[in-house]
Amino acid sequence: GIQVEQSPPDLILQEGANSTLRCNFSDSVNNLQWFHQNPWGQLINLFYIPSGTKQNGRLSATTVATERYSLLYISSSQTTDSGVYFCAVATQGGSEKLVFGKGTKLTVNP
Amino acid sequence: DSGVTQTPKHLITATGQRVTLRCSPRSGDLSVYWYQQSLDQGLQFLIQYYNGEERAKGNILERFSAQQFPDLHSELNLSSLELGDSALYFCASSGGQENSPLHFGNGTRLTVT
Repeated sequence: GIQVEQSPPDLILQEGANSTLRCNFSDSVNNLQWFHQNPWGQLINLFYIPSGTKQNGRLSATTVATERYSLLYISSSQTTDSGVYFCAVATQGGSEKLVFGKGTKLTVNP
Repeated sequence: DSGVTQTPKHLITATGQRVTLRCSPRSGDLSVYWYQQSLDQGLQFLIQYYNGEERAKGNILERFSAQQFPDLHSELNLSSLELGDSALYFCASSGGQENSPLHFGNGTRLTVT
């Protein structure tokens, strides 16, 4: 099956800093989503982005499908950005086929 | 708020027992998914229902079963519980099309003692 690798596994930032999280995948995908799991365990969908670039406030994501990677940018980080960021991909079908990466744990210190 | 409602938030039970987790999808979503999240296995897809019918099965044990009712809410039944079943169980919903994003509920934390 498809392999999903996220890097870095852990990231510690000071409030206000910018960061880039990376998701590499081993096969062509038709579905790629980014999620944020906050320290209370809630999983929030950030982007549906199998290709191209999207922005939502301080967050943006870019997927280069031909090169099999996606990037999540967080600008001017805040303590509320802390948590684990998951990338999930599928090579066919819908969300039932999503394979989740192990995540990047982000800690933003005040 | 994702719009997906899960109850209960926490559940503590003993080995061998049976529990039922409940999920109401976002308004308008026809697909419901169940996931298990544990420290060693990460997020694992269990099962999907679409408009009352089972659509896809993942790594769901035979001791586990689910159903989706006519009002689209779903229940996940876990029986003959073992210590290793302790985990966070998430329900998610989507519109059901291939390009529909997934929206998760807040999860049910199950502890088996």
